[in-house]
Amino acid sequence: DAGITQSPRYKITETGRQVTLMCHQTWSHSYMFWYRQDLGHGLRLIYYSAAADITDKGEVPDGYVVSRSKTENFPLTLESATRSQTSVYFCASSAGTENIQYFGAGTRLSVL
Amino acid sequence: DQQVKQNSPSLSVQEGRISILNCDYTNSMFDYFLWYKKYPAEGPTFLISISSIKDKNEDGRFTVFLNKSAKHLSLHIVPSQPGDSAVYFCAASETSGTYKYIFGTGTRLKVLA
Repeated sequence: DAGITQSPRYKITETGRQVTLMCHQTWSHSYMFWYRQDLGHGLRLIYYSAAADITDKGEVPDGYVVSRSKTENFPLTLESATRSQTSVYFCASSAGTENIQYFGAGTRLSVL
Repeated sequence: DQQVKQNSPSLSVQEGRISILNCDYTNSMFDYFLWYKKYPAEGPTFLISISSIKDKNEDGRFTVFLNKSAKHLSLHIVPSQPGDSAVYFCAASETSGTYKYIFGTGTRLKVLA
């Protein structure tokens, strides 16, 4: 399907485990973003990427790792999950020719 | 320090009336502003935007007003419909940069039938 998809939609893990959230877009958008949504904070930017092999930190990058070897994929890895990383994670993409981001449906992550 | 603030966590409006959602920002470098709408269990969807060279942008029932001197923007929905019930986020961006957004905390709008 065309668009931006995130997987899994729901994930439960334990503290200390590594977990990877996947994001795939079919538009060939150059920009991709990862946000987390928490009550009282809105959406906060974790990492973003301007193109394949170009990534940079956002507001809350600690504890997260990203990579972008292909334009269409932008996985987010929690190397050693903590309870404070329990959140809803959204991936977004943008063409860069217009300043509009298109969001995936989100991944709800619970760290026990 | 929050650069984009939505001070009303929730708002209830009768169907057919006007809904006004407000947003304040502190960074004078922001020059592009957007509103996103979010339903439960879905991602945010783009609603309307405005560039700092304008003070108003309209799209059907949705109008965004920008007051640069007050660093304030508002979203007007007229007339409000029950399907408008959602969380609304304002976002601010610098167009000369990397297209990063700073989001507000959101306002939950409930339109009562």
